[in-house]
Amino acid sequence: GAVVSQHPSRVICKSGTSVKIECRSLDFQATTMFWYRQFPKQSLMLMATSNEGSKATYEQGVEKDKFLINHASLTLSTLTVTSAHPEDSSFYICSARRPGHNEKLFFGSGTQLSVL
Amino acid sequence: AQSVTQPDIHITVSEGASLELRCNYSYGATPYLFWYVQSPGQGLQLLLKYFSGDTLVQGIKGFEAEFKRSQSSFNLRKPSVHWSDAAEYFCAVGGLSNTGKLIFGQGTTLQVKP
Repeated sequence: GAVVSQHPSRVICKSGTSVKIECRSLDFQATTMFWYRQFPKQSLMLMATSNEGSKATYEQGVEKDKFLINHASLTLSTLTVTSAHPEDSSFYICSARRPGHNEKLFFGSGTQLSVL
Repeated sequence: AQSVTQPDIHITVSEGASLELRCNYSYGATPYLFWYVQSPGQGLQLLLKYFSGDTLVQGIKGFEAEFKRSQSSFNLRKPSVHWSDAAEYFCAVGGLSNTGKLIFGQGTTLQVKP
């Protein structure tokens, strides 16, 4: 079956540093990937839609300069949390939409970010 | 406004008992409805989905859900819960035009007692 790999699974960083999270579709080409954020005991919130070869579409309230998304290839999208602060600590999860299977999303295993 | 509500934040059932997780949605267009399960340390796994047709849909792991348009509900059920079903369950709604843009409920944590 289709697999989406997300790396790293857990990262701890100092305040002010930048963190990059990778999302890879391992056995299919994903023209569209999505990035979500999940706060403890809360729902997943869509942050942005990442389209291969074009700029990401950010949801209202999400700072595009803070959360840089790059989808340079059909199998890789990256989310960079720039100048991370403790309030950015959260669980980030990506998903990829498989062409020809529009109704099905494949999710990564998520990244737990802790900013000290 | 588009939203998904899972009224139960936490549910505990005994192993072997039946289970129903509630999901209500508000969506302006024809909804696509999903249930996902998230186990600790793992990604989301699709349990089942409803697009059209039979309002009772069967999913993996013995789960089923029933779409009731009049009640704007899509409740998840399982006749007999197993200890391995303990996890976080998310209901989500998407639209015909962009099913990737899902709106998730806040999740229900299922605990299974031996």
